[in-house]
Amino acid sequence: GENVEQHPSTLSVQEGDSAVIKCTYSDSASNYFPWYKQELGKRPQLIIDIRSNVGEKKDQRIAVTLNKTAKHFSLHITETQPEDSAVYFCAQGGSTLGRLYFGRGTQLTVWP
Amino acid sequence: GAGVSQSPSNKVTEKGKDVELRCDPISGHTALYWYRQRLGQGLEFLIYFQGNSAPDKSGLPSDRFSAERTGESVSTLTIQRTQQEDSAVYLCASSPPHAVTTGELFFGEGSRLTVL
Repeated sequence: GENVEQHPSTLSVQEGDSAVIKCTYSDSASNYFPWYKQELGKRPQLIIDIRSNVGEKKDQRIAVTLNKTAKHFSLHITETQPEDSAVYFCAQGGSTLGRLYFGRGTQLTVWP
Repeated sequence: GAGVSQSPSNKVTEKGKDVELRCDPISGHTALYWYRQRLGQGLEFLIYFQGNSAPDKSGLPSDRFSAERTGESVSTLTIQRTQQEDSAVYLCASSPPHAVTTGELFFGEGSRLTVL
């Protein structure tokens, strides 16, 4: 199947701390793993993605790691800020033409 | 406009009525997607268009749901005989030709449907 399990469903951290969100997938043919951020009442927007030929990608305070053997990937946010508060969705794709499978989302709250 | 546009932004209807939701993708984007997001839930895939054809309709939850796309542009999602469980935000997304299988999706703001 193409299930994506995402944990935790909610995450609260103090400003400045790090936050980690993890996803696991079942389809070994998947080769594309994006992360989307959705602020309250807004549209989801891509924040970072990784393809299966690399194990880690970093963009300023955000990083994603991928373990294809274990079929899991993680989002790491360092030095969190209140504006990082949002719902974060992981997704996996590439095995079925044009289709991205999303996780259930993680509500991240960063307290000032 | 520069982004994906959806209308209406909000729709309240009575159970049993039909509704049509419209999506205008970004110009030049050949791929178009419909997702459903129930309150507090993730993004549920409904249907995907490549040009005007829909190679993957497997996500449509029942035969009350249908979608079409014309001119490789505008798409309409139609829900017939709406039920209360159809209440959700319906999100449309598009992607450019080079990202037809794996790439960034550009989402619209969504159409919030409430079935009374």
